[in-house]
Amino acid sequence: EAAVTQSPRNKVAVTGGKVTLSCNQTNNHNNMYWYRQDTGHGLRLIHYSYGAGSTEKGDIPDGYKASRPSQENFSLILELATPSQTSVYFCASGDAGQGRAEQFFGPGTRLTVL
Amino acid sequence: AQSVTQPDARVTVSEGASLQLRCKYSYSATPYLFWYVQYPRQGLQLLLKYYSGDPVVQGVNSFEAEFSKSNSSFHLQKASVHWSDSAVYFCALSPTGGYKVVFGSGTRLLVSP
Repeated sequence: EAAVTQSPRNKVAVTGGKVTLSCNQTNNHNNMYWYRQDTGHGLRLIHYSYGAGSTEKGDIPDGYKASRPSQENFSLILELATPSQTSVYFCASGDAGQGRAEQFFGPGTRLTVL
Repeated sequence: AQSVTQPDARVTVSEGASLQLRCKYSYSATPYLFWYVQYPRQGLQLLLKYYSGDPVVQGVNSFEAEFSKSNSSFHLQKASVHWSDSAVYFCALSPTGGYKVVFGSGTRLLVSP
């Protein structure tokens, strides 16, 4: 069954530490996305990718990097985590540009930065 | 710039009652429109989508939505809600069907017994 999975599901990090969130999709979609969800803000786009080797900045990229080593995998990297990055992070995949704009989401990673 | 407004942060309805969740959008042309549902501790799941054509679109679990160009709206409706419909509902738009999707802030639905 096609799916988007994320790991870890929960993460506690210390301020200044490095955090890597991983995402894997079996939908064979070209596009992948990282969002964060905070109360009152809905979902905000951090980074996205059109395919392996590409990463693009979304609406709130500061403090985050992304890596897309393959069609299936897309990582979000926090080099120096801060408490303001405490949030729930969602990965999604989709076939935007093929006349289909809907996205398929993973279950989320709850990150707490102390 | 594009935007999506969900004016009701919380809605409470009784089981078996009808439901309407409101969504207004701002975009100069007709966008692609979506409703997603998020159950506790889960990711968003697509309920329905509108690309063009019939302004009333059917989705999963007996949900439907009506697109109105004149009102710039895409309201979600259900004739009879069940307790399991309790969740957060997000309206979203994609301006051109490309990568960018703009989400509303969500409406938390509570179905009371």
